Amino acid sequence: DAKTTQPNSMESNEEEPVHLPCNHSTISGTDYIHWYRQLPSQGPEYVIHGLTSNVNNRMASLAIAEDRKSSTLILHRATLRDAAVYYCILTRLGSARQLTFGSGTQLTVLP
Amino acid sequence: GAVVSQHPSWVICKSGTSVKIECRSLDFQATTMFWYRQFPKQSLMLMATSNEGSKATYEQGVEKDKFLINHASLTLSTLTVTSAHPEDSSFYICSARDQGGSGANVLTFGAGSRLTVL
Repeated sequence: DAKTTQPNSMESNEEEPVHLPCNHSTISGTDYIHWYRQLPSQGPEYVIHGLTSNVNNRMASLAIAEDRKSSTLILHRATLRDAAVYYCILTRLGSARQLTFGSGTQLTVLP
Repeated sequence: GAVVSQHPSWVICKSGTSVKIECRSLDFQATTMFWYRQFPKQSLMLMATSNEGSKATYEQGVEKDKFLINHASLTLSTLTVTSAHPEDSSFYICSARDQGGSGANVLTFGAGSRLTVL
């Protein structure tokens, strides 16, 4: 599986937007970009995924670079409950394989 | 949406005893479930892939005789930690994929089971 690179940690102020970057320079044409987050003492939670176009859902937006070698998860208005480890993961289209987790980005939201 | 229920959420046991953790897909069927382990301040590490009606596939370094996996139905997989020792203390998390989902390989995770072996 292609590898992703994320900053170890980021901070944000409450009610401000947060942009979480992810680099995936070896992504292949059939790799989906997934984002999951893990709140303290919880299992991971699906956030969003995309292939080529930017995506929006009720939780977040995913901005994908034109060359697909990087992406950014956008939380439009961070709340204290968004404090979590955010994982950017690539999965192959049609794959039934497990997800491979990197170290993710620890997001701290300051009141 | 798809829901995965994991039970128990936490368990404390004595060294040498066995502990069973259940993972259920509540509103969908899953021919494959995945078991992960997470130590404090570390990321999730895949232990094994549970296959309904057949043997589980274990990752390198995971002892299949110690971590017994049974996937007897399309909605239930169990992980039994046999002869548990303090070093088995960890956060165990299962996940499953809705077979009716898209090809994007979205997984639903359980809330995790925290095992403490005294």
